[in-house]
Amino acid sequence: QVQLVQSGAEVKRPGASVRVSCKASGYTFTRYYMHWVRQAPGQGLEWMGIINPSGGSTGYAQKFQGRVTMTRDRSTSTVYMELSSLRSEDTAVYYCASGADYDSSGYWVDWGQGTLVTVSS
Amino acid sequence: QSALTQPASVSGSPGQSITISCTGTSSDVGSYNLVSWYQQYPGKAPKLMIYEVSKRPSGVSNRFSGSKSGNTASLTISGLQAEDEADYYCCSYLGSSTFVFGTGTMVTVL
Repeated sequence: QVQLVQSGAEVKRPGASVRVSCKASGYTFTRYYMHWVRQAPGQGLEWMGIINPSGGSTGYAQKFQGRVTMTRDRSTSTVYMELSSLRSEDTAVYYCASGADYDSSGYWVDWGQGTLVTVSS
Repeated sequence: QSALTQPASVSGSPGQSITISCTGTSSDVGSYNLVSWYQQYPGKAPKLMIYEVSKRPSGVSNRFSGSKSGNTASLTISGLQAEDEADYYCCSYLGSSTFVFGTGTMVTVL
């Protein structure tokens, strides 16, 4: 079965960067696009961006342009999301989600367990 | 891009039907039949309930249905059950491989 396993919780200082990983198994890694979604405490879901694990192309929400970078390692079936210049408002649970075989599809049927990133001085 | 607008809360009694609206613009909901709906319990990852406006993934109860009219999409839960008490989010394609979520709706079963 499909599994998306994310890296563990992180605590970062303001201004630092964080990299969260999402390791996929149970399917052909390059078949499905991967999305990143975050959720601040007590708040709603926020779409951050998309990466095509096959070619590595990316698309980011305007809000995160210039601060987020999504990459993938096909040899380990892992995608990464790096967010820089962290501020307290970036404190959130970060999720990876997959299942769609084209970029405009919202068929995100598989989700990681979430990674809590806390930004605090 | 602003979040799609959803009512903050909707409630109903067991067995009743409720409908959650998701209002966007002609640039998002109104432009594409690519609206999905997610259910989320506290502390858990979201679960896909509806995709492409009205399609249900395998395993999702047929008590959940979706529709769209103009710039507003809707999720209807019929035969409301206690287990349906959760947060629900809509999500729409925006074009250029980007997406936007709704503000979220808390469903309460009375």
